Amino acid sequence: DAKTTQPTSMDCAEGRAANLPCNHSTISGNEYVYWYRQIHSQGPQYIIHGLKNNETNEMASLIITEDRKSSTLILPHATLRDTAVYYCIVRAYNTDKLIFGTGTRLQVFP
Amino acid sequence: NAGVTQTPKFQVLKTGQSMTLQCAQDMNHEYMSWYRQDPGMGLRLIHYSVGAGITDQGEVPNGYNVSRSTTEDFPLRLLSAAPSQTSVYFCASIPLSGTGDYEQYFGPGTRLTVT
Repeated sequence: DAKTTQPTSMDCAEGRAANLPCNHSTISGNEYVYWYRQIHSQGPQYIIHGLKNNETNEMASLIITEDRKSSTLILPHATLRDTAVYYCIVRAYNTDKLIFGTGTRLQVFP
Repeated sequence: NAGVTQTPKFQVLKTGQSMTLQCAQDMNHEYMSWYRQDPGMGLRLIHYSVGAGITDQGEVPNGYNVSRSTTEDFPLRLLSAAPSQTSVYFCASIPLSGTGDYEQYFGPGTRLTVT
């Protein structure tokens, strides 16, 4: 599985967009990009995933660069409840294992 | 659906004791896995299973055993607890395997302390 690099921490004002970057320069053509988050010490929560195209759901948007070497998770209107650790993970289609890094700790402030 | 359930929520063991962490899912998912999370760290894969009767090792399997006799249950056994196994343990499941295009469901976790 390709490794990912994320900033250790980020801040965002409530109501503003939170843009969380992820570098995955060694990603292979069959590897998906997944985003999860963990609030306090709860179980990780799935946010979104994508392969090549940009994706959007009710929680967030995922922007993947054309060369697929990096991606950005966008929370369009961050709230205090979005304060969490966000994990960017890449995984090949033929393996079910998720390899977590240390993630980005997002702090949303009033 | 109850999703992924884990018991107990909290457990304190003494060094050398053994115990089993329970995990169950009612979504008929083929794939189940166990992770541990140490303070301030990301999750690390311990063991996983792609179906009943099939298990395999993850990143940190030493000191743990698993079995998968049914689709629903995937217990994690600590054979002889050590303080280094103090951690939060998460169980997870996936509805499909081998496609990459799915989300993983996590349980609420078991907080284990070994003294």
